[in-house]
Amino acid sequence: DIQMTQSPSSLSASVGDRVTITCRASQGIGSDLGWFQQKPGKAPKRLIYAASSLQSGVSSRFSGSGSGTEFTLTISSLQPEDFATYYCLQHNTYPFTFGPGTKVDIK
Amino acid sequence: DVQLVESGGDLVQPGGSLRLSCAASGFTFSDYWMSWVRQAPGKGLEWVANIKVDGSDSYFLGSVTGRFTISRDNAKNSVYLQMNSLTAEDTAVYYCATDLHCSGGVCQRFERFAYWGQGTLLTVSS
Repeated sequence: DIQMTQSPSSLSASVGDRVTITCRASQGIGSDLGWFQQKPGKAPKRLIYAASSLQSGVSSRFSGSGSGTEFTLTISSLQPEDFATYYCLQHNTYPFTFGPGTKVDIK
Repeated sequence: DVQLVESGGDLVQPGGSLRLSCAASGFTFSDYWMSWVRQAPGKGLEWVANIKVDGSDSYFLGSVTGRFTISRDNAKNSVYLQMNSLTAEDTAVYYCATDLHCSGGVCQRFERFAYWGQGTLLTVSS
């Protein structure tokens, strides 16, 4: 199975901060990667698909980059509604695998 | 609007069985592969299974292979997850999500996991 790791596992940040989350795959997955935001008690919401494409309706302060084995999610200016847990997902090879998550909370 | 509504979650004894359902609306259901994803309490997300547009193919997480089956009824715009030999480790919120979009023999990978239901809770406990 492809192992997905995320760093950091958690971070504390202030409104207006630039935040970067890294996701690494144990083998190459091309651009078959998505980023998801999840708030407590809610379903995940897709933010980024194909590693760097912004989901329709999602704020442009979210961006994704990378290919192969290393990927990043960047929030350019953190807003109060962005405090949540973020997951990456590889859908290149079965079984699909998620990263363990990065919890972003208020400093 | 796209809507996915899961149902069927319940409290089940270890070794028991349960079938989850996911009713879809707002899109051409028969053009989409469908996936199930689960989340144990306080834990991360875990992909469980998916099924092809016509039900002719499916894939599973290793730990559920042989215990879970996935099926669909395109006439009812629904996908199902039959779960047998349940253990405490299967306790989770189960989400259905849209997967590959296939039309005219061409499938779009970027459609994967664009839409999710609200989830249904399975608790396995004696």
